[in-house]
Amino acid sequence: AQSVTQLGSHVSVSEGALVLLRCNYSSSVPPYLFWYVQYPNQGLQLLLKYTTGATLVKGINGFEAEFKKSETSFHLTKPSAHMSDAAEYFCAVRGFYNQGGKLIFGQGTELSVKP
Amino acid sequence: AAGVIQSPRHLIKEKRETATLKCYPIPRHDTVYWYQQGPGQDPQFLISFYEKMQSDKGSIPDRFSAQQFSDYHSELNMSSLELGDSALYFCASSLSTGANEQFFGPGTRLTVL
Repeated sequence: AQSVTQLGSHVSVSEGALVLLRCNYSSSVPPYLFWYVQYPNQGLQLLLKYTTGATLVKGINGFEAEFKKSETSFHLTKPSAHMSDAAEYFCAVRGFYNQGGKLIFGQGTELSVKP
Repeated sequence: AAGVIQSPRHLIKEKRETATLKCYPIPRHDTVYWYQQGPGQDPQFLISFYEKMQSDKGSIPDRFSAQQFSDYHSELNMSSLELGDSALYFCASSLSTGANEQFFGPGTRLTVL
């Protein structure tokens, strides 16, 4: 079975500082990995995804993530935080052979950005 | 671009009442997923449909049922509502279960009093 663990339920950074949100996954097969962002009272928006190929993936709003198989990690980074980045971030996994295609989410990390 | 539409956006019900949530996927998307997100929780998979057939089932209570219709829209029916059913219910759609990306709707916020 697949699972996702996000380290840190709350992360606070200053505007302009590096953003690092941690995600580790468990999967017996090559995973598809996703990062979603959720603003208050809104739906989930895809930031980026890893399926196959290049392990460093770039997403929207300046975010990127690196798939590291040896570390079973898929950490999300952004070089310089903006106030508008304050939101809840979810890492999710979908197994390659999972015919149902459901997403399994981590517990979420709330990002706060201080002026 | 067209997005996933969910209705209603907000719903208030009493305990033991029934509720019906509707989801209209992106045009040409044939797969629909339902997720439940409790307060401060991560989204939990409930059920999915592909080409009008149930494709997977998660932690969906027996009091809930769902189906996908010929126009690919889906409805989640919830009966004997309990206080614990209060949550944000998301629908997502994709083009076939093998697709990489699910597109999420804005959600329906259900409050059970």
